[in-house]
Amino acid sequence: AQKVTQAQTEISVVEKEDVTLDCVYETRDTTYYLFWYKQPPSGELVFLIRRNSFDEQNEISGRYSWNFQKSTSSFNFTITASQVVDSAVYFCALSEAYRDAGNMLTFGGGTRLMVKP
Amino acid sequence: DTGVSQDPRHKITKRGQNVTFRCDPISEHNRLYWYRQTLGQGPEFLTYFQNEAQLEKSRLLSDRFSAERPKGSFSTLEIQRTEQGDSAMYLCASSREGQQETQYFGPGTRLLVL
Repeated sequence: AQKVTQAQTEISVVEKEDVTLDCVYETRDTTYYLFWYKQPPSGELVFLIRRNSFDEQNEISGRYSWNFQKSTSSFNFTITASQVVDSAVYFCALSEAYRDAGNMLTFGGGTRLMVKP
Repeated sequence: DTGVSQDPRHKITKRGQNVTFRCDPISEHNRLYWYRQTLGQGPEFLTYFQNEAQLEKSRLLSDRFSAERPKGSFSTLEIQRTEQGDSAMYLCASSREGQQETQYFGPGTRLLVL
């Protein structure tokens, strides 16, 4: 069975601080996909990134960066120079490639990030 | 490109009533998913359609829940004889089958059962 754990339920930082959101996953599959979504107060889940299990390259997109480490089953997300608009709940999710009927997502419990001015 | 839309955005109902939610996926997305999210939790998978065929259902989907996707376009999720425990956000997502499949979510329907 697959599982995603986001141990940090809530993080509070002051604007311009860097912050890292942790994600640890469990899967028995060798091919899988990892995702991060952002859920602002409006409620809609916004896609941020997708990572394939066979691609361990880290990725940077503006102030966002992701560190994928297969050896520790982690897919951490760092926001550099945080801004108030980054305040939201962030979800890490996993889907397994062996399924031949769709790629249902298994989500972690989410991390609520509060960025104070 | 129009995103995923859901209707209604909010629904308040009394216990025992039936409710129906609608999801319109991104055009040309052949896969459609329903998830449920309770307060303070991550979304949980309910069911999945590939075109018009419902191919997978979670054990969370009790007999009171039914979903359809006629003609492989929009989908409806009906809950019969609602219970207070059904209060949650119901999220719909769509995707295009393929190697880089990514699910895009709608704004959700927030259900409150009194």
